[in-house]
Amino acid sequence: ETGVTQSPTHLIKTRGQQVTLRCSSQSGHNTVSWYQQALGQGPQFIFQYYREEENGRGNFPPRFSGLQFPNYSSELNVNALELDDSALYLCASTLKNSKLDYTFGSGTRLTVV
Amino acid sequence: AQKVTQAQTEISVVEKEDVTLDCVYETRDTTYYLFWYKQPPSGELVFLIRRNSFDEQNEISGRYSWNFQKSTSSFNFTITASQVVDSAVYFCALSEESGYSTLTFGKGTMLLVSP
Repeated sequence: ETGVTQSPTHLIKTRGQQVTLRCSSQSGHNTVSWYQQALGQGPQFIFQYYREEENGRGNFPPRFSGLQFPNYSSELNVNALELDDSALYLCASTLKNSKLDYTFGSGTRLTVV
Repeated sequence: AQKVTQAQTEISVVEKEDVTLDCVYETRDTTYYLFWYKQPPSGELVFLIRRNSFDEQNEISGRYSWNFQKSTSSFNFTITASQVVDSAVYFCALSEESGYSTLTFGKGTMLLVSP
């Protein structure tokens, strides 16, 4: 087991720009979820990918999009960044048949200025 | 819709005190799972415990214990003889059996343990 790795750890972007955050899932985990955690809040579900397709989505606009690759790595893309997008973005992987064993990465801290 | 409420925003205790973190949840599902996670300053969410809705037995793991009461929709977490290393933000979360395997988190409780 190698755990979940996220990159970069910190990022500063300007309003209106686009950003790509990356996640390397735990070996064998075929489902990845992304969460947004604003300062002082709990993580909020953005979307989930299973077998390279979006499998569920939270209350986030279409400018939040993702990709999952055959090697279980994934990306979160955010277009037209807004100041309120500043947050810690967490990636969590699990096995599809096991809704219970989530492994979280340490997150990417995104600051939009 | 599912919801998790952690009414305590921040708790400060002195080392060796006992502390209880409250969690109240809402769900329409009869089958669901409750979790507690610890988030140290480094940011990752560290899994502490998972309970399913059919298992109301309280659990103890070292200095940690959990009290699950369906009648009050609560899943409280107690740390006995707190230590400075327990300082972190603690999140309660809910996952319903139906739908996607996603977690609904509370807003978290920041625990500060001073020497």
